[in-house]
Amino acid sequence: SQQGEEDPQALSIQEGENATMNCSYKTSINNLQWYRQNSGRGLVHLILIRSNEREKHSGRLRVTLDTSKKSRSLLITASRAADTASYFCARLTGANNLFFGTGTRLTVIP
Amino acid sequence: DTAVSQTPKYLVTQMGNDKSIKCEQNLGHDTMYWYKQDSKKFLKIMFSYNNKELIINETVPNRFSPKSPDKAHLNLHINSLELGDSAVYFCASSQPRTGGRTEAFFGQGTRLTVV
Repeated sequence: SQQGEEDPQALSIQEGENATMNCSYKTSINNLQWYRQNSGRGLVHLILIRSNEREKHSGRLRVTLDTSKKSRSLLITASRAADTASYFCARLTGANNLFFGTGTRLTVIP
Repeated sequence: DTAVSQTPKYLVTQMGNDKSIKCEQNLGHDTMYWYKQDSKKFLKIMFSYNNKELIINETVPNRFSPKSPDKAHLNLHINSLELGDSAVYFCASSQPRTGGRTEAFFGQGTRLTVV
């Protein structure tokens, strides 16, 4: 399967705390993207990290790579209630097809 | 000026019927996709079209047929609907870029309920 695995499946934190979500694939990950999905809406692209990048920042988002190159983490710092959503990682294949992970449902409690 | 729009947003139909979901993108992208999101929120790619050519079909029953009249449209036609087809279907588009920087833009989804 080309689908990625994300953990945790669900995460509930207090506003102001950091949220960490992990994404792993059975094969090595080259470029990895993260998307956000608000309830009942389509997915929105957040950030891309390439295979030669160990870490990437975008505002309160930080993506890091583990040394095995089979797992990457998305960190949301100083979370806000508005960050409540589902977050998906996605791997791009050579045919320009995106295969998504299983998703993490994040709840930020005000 | 919605980038990727799909209609209808909700579709309730009986088993055995045939239905279509339409998708249009005004981004000038070369690639369009259909994804199925089940009740557990898993997103599975169904089809990918690049310049009107089907380039992937991931174990999708042949009751599902994508139709692309032009580069800006990719419609999904479903024959003989079954209860298990109930899900949210997302259309998306992207423009292939070098270095893995291809980013997908999604429609708002069509919630299909088969009764």
